[in-house]
Amino acid sequence: AQKVTQAQTEISVVEKEDVTLDCVYETRDTTYYLFWYKQPPSGELVFLIRRNSFDEQNEISGRYSWNFQKSTSSFNFTITASQVVDSAVYFCALSEWDNQGGKLIFGQGTELSVKP
Amino acid sequence: GAGVSQSPRYKVAKRGQDVALRCDPISGHVSLFWYQQALGQGPEFLTYFQNEAQLDKSGLPSDRFFAERPEGSVSTLKIQRTQQEDSAVYLCASSLDGGAGTDTQYFGPGTRLTVL
Repeated sequence: AQKVTQAQTEISVVEKEDVTLDCVYETRDTTYYLFWYKQPPSGELVFLIRRNSFDEQNEISGRYSWNFQKSTSSFNFTITASQVVDSAVYFCALSEWDNQGGKLIFGQGTELSVKP
Repeated sequence: GAGVSQSPRYKVAKRGQDVALRCDPISGHVSLFWYQQALGQGPEFLTYFQNEAQLDKSGLPSDRFFAERPEGSVSTLKIQRTQQEDSAVYLCASSLDGGAGTDTQYFGPGTRLTVL
């Protein structure tokens, strides 16, 4: 069965600290996709990144970076030099390649609070 | 361009009432998804449309939930005889691709349903 686990329910940091959000997934498929979404207090889910299971290269986008490790079934997200505007709930999600549209399986989310 | 829109943004219903929630996907997007997000939880899949065809409704919690997308664009999620446990945020997402789950889902702002 597919499952996504975000063990950290809440994280609180002070501005400019680095913070890593953990994501561990379970799937029996060899072809799958992993995502991170941000949900600010306004409620809308904002897409951050998508990776497929064949691309294990780490990715950096500005202050954001992602570490995908198939050996440990993890897809962790690091924010460098955090800012107050990074405060939000972050969701990791998994979809499998199929002919049913690729529904997303979400983790429980990690609430990040960045204090000034 | 315009993103996914949903209406109403907030809905309060008395237990037993019927409600209808609307989703306008991004123009040209083939796939449309509905998710339910309970307070403090990650979104959970409800149903999936490819154009006007409802290909997966495995996540609908009961036969009180019904969704349609008659012309392959706008979709409506209807809940009959609402119960208190139906209180949640209902999220709509759309993606460009037509089936293999390879494309990114973009979410609307959600409809927050409160059943009294």
